[in-house]
Amino acid sequence: AQKITQTQPGMFVQEKEAVTLDCTYDTSDQSYGLFWYKQPSSGEMIFLIYQGSYDEQNATEGRYSLNFQKARKSANLVISASQLGDSAMYFCAMREYFSGSARQLTFGSGTQLTVLP
Amino acid sequence: ETGVTQTPRHLVMGMTNKKSLKCEQHLGHNAMYWYKQSAKKPLELMFVYSLEERVENNSVPSRFSPECPNSSHLFLHLHTLQPEDSALYLCASSPDRETFGEQYFGPGTRLTVT
Repeated sequence: AQKITQTQPGMFVQEKEAVTLDCTYDTSDQSYGLFWYKQPSSGEMIFLIYQGSYDEQNATEGRYSLNFQKARKSANLVISASQLGDSAMYFCAMREYFSGSARQLTFGSGTQLTVLP
Repeated sequence: ETGVTQTPRHLVMGMTNKKSLKCEQHLGHNAMYWYKQSAKKPLELMFVYSLEERVENNSVPSRFSPECPNSSHLFLHLHTLQPEDSALYLCASSPDRETFGEQYFGPGTRLTVT
């Protein structure tokens, strides 16, 4: 089974509107972290936001917020007031904590977001 | 210069060539990573180095050979590659392997094997 599932290969949003990118994950660990990265066409992976499994409040970073629903194992990214520069590939990733050490990041397949003027 | 840098940014090589990818991080981190990103596939972790010691090797073919001479530099030596090795190779670093801190990625090397 896939650890990270992103069911939306592509999304379109009108400039200035909000958009939600879906991410569900699968883990039996109690302690883990969830990340979102942005990858523009230039190739660089840019860290956006992080949510720890024990964090009670949803993480927010500027226009980015993470809608964390632990029981449903979902960690959707919400981008408010979309800008043309938000057009990029977005990856959800999870880092599990096992036997006293952190495992590597596991990435989803990504969602290509296109912001329309 | 700050962050994680990678050179070259683009590389075209024949199947019989030998080349090396270089990664350098200026963040004082102790862990470094090589990832492979193929078209329409999730990122695949290739190697993990912690304090210059290789701690993970995810069944990567021997035609890829990593080297970490110090905590700031990471190389990926390539030889007798196959066309299916064409991909974006990303280097990343993090403070260490044990924390949940985010990984900082370089811009990647776009490799084409002809």
